[in-house]
Amino acid sequence: DTEVTQTPKHLVMGMTNKKSLKCEQHMGHRAMYWYKQKAKKPPELMFVYSYEKLSINESVPSRFSPECPNSSLLNLHLHALQPEDSALYLCASSRTDQAGYTFGSGTRLTVV
Amino acid sequence: GENVEQHPSTLSVQEGDSAVIKCTYSDSASNYFPWYKQELGKRPQLIIDIRSNVGEKKDQRIAVTLNKTAKHFSLHITETQPEDSAVYFCAASKGSNSGYALNFGKGTSLLVTP
Repeated sequence: DTEVTQTPKHLVMGMTNKKSLKCEQHMGHRAMYWYKQKAKKPPELMFVYSYEKLSINESVPSRFSPECPNSSLLNLHLHALQPEDSALYLCASSRTDQAGYTFGSGTRLTVV
Repeated sequence: GENVEQHPSTLSVQEGDSAVIKCTYSDSASNYFPWYKQELGKRPQLIIDIRSNVGEKKDQRIAVTLNKTAKHFSLHITETQPEDSAVYFCAASKGSNSGYALNFGKGTSLLVTP
């Protein structure tokens, strides 16, 4: 299995909702990443997990809460989001000693 | 932190011509430089990458060159085809035991006209 699987593919949520994005990989990768991509912009790094521990937080607002329950799963919990948080959220994974990671197909999030 | 600049922002070529996209980076510790292609509504896809111990890498019609001294790297696409039309992103990373966090350029929108 060489895929990174993200669910859901699309999500519409209100500003008072709580939702979660899920990411799964079975390639044995021990580094996992969340990126945010706005339209016509490059992906921006949000979080990096290494060996299930948060290693990088790019000053992301606390309304985004990442979680890595095991080496195959990565979640992004969302709460009290703003309309400007609408974007494509991309998950990726890699070996910790080797780059060339693959992105998942993303979750397209719309906050209304 | 790392700053990656990418030029041009848009590029239009005739089918069969070559296309060149250039990037510069600021952090001399960066050691990994991938290029991603992103079609409309899809995920970025890795098309080629290069590490700092290599000056050039080629894969069929695509090549990447790296000049560590000048801190710039370039993507070369030869014999372009309409299906090469997409947004191309360069990125730089210095890697660590924590993985490879990528810093992306702003992207180049490539249009290949038949």
